[in-house]
Amino acid sequence: KNEVEQSPQNLTAQEGEFITINCSYSVGISALHWLQQHPGGGIVSLFMLSSGKKKHGRLIATINIQEKHSSLHITASHPRDSAVYICAVTSGSRLTFGEGTQLTVNP
Amino acid sequence: DAGVIQSPRHEVTEMGQEVTLRCKPISGHNSLFWYRQTMMRGLELLIYFNNNVPIDDSGMPEDRFSAKMPNASFSTLKIQPSEPRDSAVYFCASSFRDYGYTFGSGTRLTVV
Repeated sequence: KNEVEQSPQNLTAQEGEFITINCSYSVGISALHWLQQHPGGGIVSLFMLSSGKKKHGRLIATINIQEKHSSLHITASHPRDSAVYICAVTSGSRLTFGEGTQLTVNP
Repeated sequence: DAGVIQSPRHEVTEMGQEVTLRCKPISGHNSLFWYRQTMMRGLELLIYFNNNVPIDDSGMPEDRFSAKMPNASFSTLKIQPSEPRDSAVYFCASSFRDYGYTFGSGTRLTVV
């Protein structure tokens, strides 16, 4: 069993839809990260969370430490949101990654 | 700040050749990480440094791989000799304590 599991692996949505990507982890962590990787490969850090909720534009990330679960929400999705979204957890200084969720938003 | 700078962006080399990947972290960041990304295995940590000292190299695949960080502003990842299965995108990232990570643009390595 992977230490970090994401669901779904693939997600296709229509423009405007509300999107949720889930992440569960099985180890003790100091922080959880949501990363975005566009075609062409660059990785951008979206959020770093250790508790509660963060919001940036149309993106919202939540974490429940007791349940070892985090969600990334995208409101009013747009084709430019199409990317791979990766959940990663920090234990010590080490990042452990989930396998990623491929999101495709169709116009 | 220009972010984490990696070079080269692309590298094509023949099997058996030595390959050196370079990384300049963000000034002031005290941790530096080398990751490898493949279709089969996703993102994997190879090695990370804290204050220029290697802390965890358990992800380095074998003795053909070596990494150095001679000072706070420069790190190298060397593969000698290279093999086709080393073909991947290699990312460098840096962080200051746990205040988030910044990734470089990656080096796409192809070993033929």
